[in-house]
Amino acid sequence: DADVTQTPRNRITKTGKRIMLECSQTKGHDRMYWYRQDPGLGLRLIYYSFDVKDINKGEISDGYSVSRQAQAKFSLSLESAIPNQTALYFCATSDPRAGGTGELFFGEGSRLTVL
Amino acid sequence: QQQVKQSPQSLIVQKGGISIINCAYENTAFDYFPWYQQFPGKGPALLIAIRPDVSEKKEGRFTISFNKSAKQFSLHIMDSQPGDSATYFCAATYGQNFVFGPGTRLSVLP
Repeated sequence: DADVTQTPRNRITKTGKRIMLECSQTKGHDRMYWYRQDPGLGLRLIYYSFDVKDINKGEISDGYSVSRQAQAKFSLSLESAIPNQTALYFCATSDPRAGGTGELFFGEGSRLTVL
Repeated sequence: QQQVKQSPQSLIVQKGGISIINCAYENTAFDYFPWYQQFPGKGPALLIAIRPDVSEKKEGRFTISFNKSAKQFSLHIMDSQPGDSATYFCAATYGQNFVFGPGTRLSVLP
């Protein structure tokens, strides 16, 4: 079983619809992230959370919101989806106590298409 | 200053050849430089990383070369294999702030 699990893996929706992408992890890490991947743009940070009570905006947070329901769960919401939010979304975790590298552990991604 | 530049965008190499991917950064606060490898349908995974106090790090066929004064670092894949075909992202970090390059799609021909 994957340590970082994302659901759904694929989703097609229409403009204006509310969408939630969910992430759960069994790594026991406090820090969780949502990234967006677009061709030629790499991975861009949407939101991150260093613990259950901590939520921070990343580089491209406009149009997105998040909820940290528990240490192991971090959800990304698009309140009113638009076509330019069509992308591959990744959840990631990290534990800075582990050797000081702060390595990111990624889920397998959620591909979202907004028509 | 937060940007990490990466080139080339795509790379085709024959089996057994050397693959070289280059990255550059501006922010001197970055203190950790990882490379992530991503196979189709998968999330990125850490491949190899270096800190700026060393100029080179080698792990098997993968080597990072780091030039602190030029603010550049590169990934060299020796004896490239078809199984190395993937997208490679360089990154630069300080604390828990990760900035990724745009990625290089590597294809190794058999």
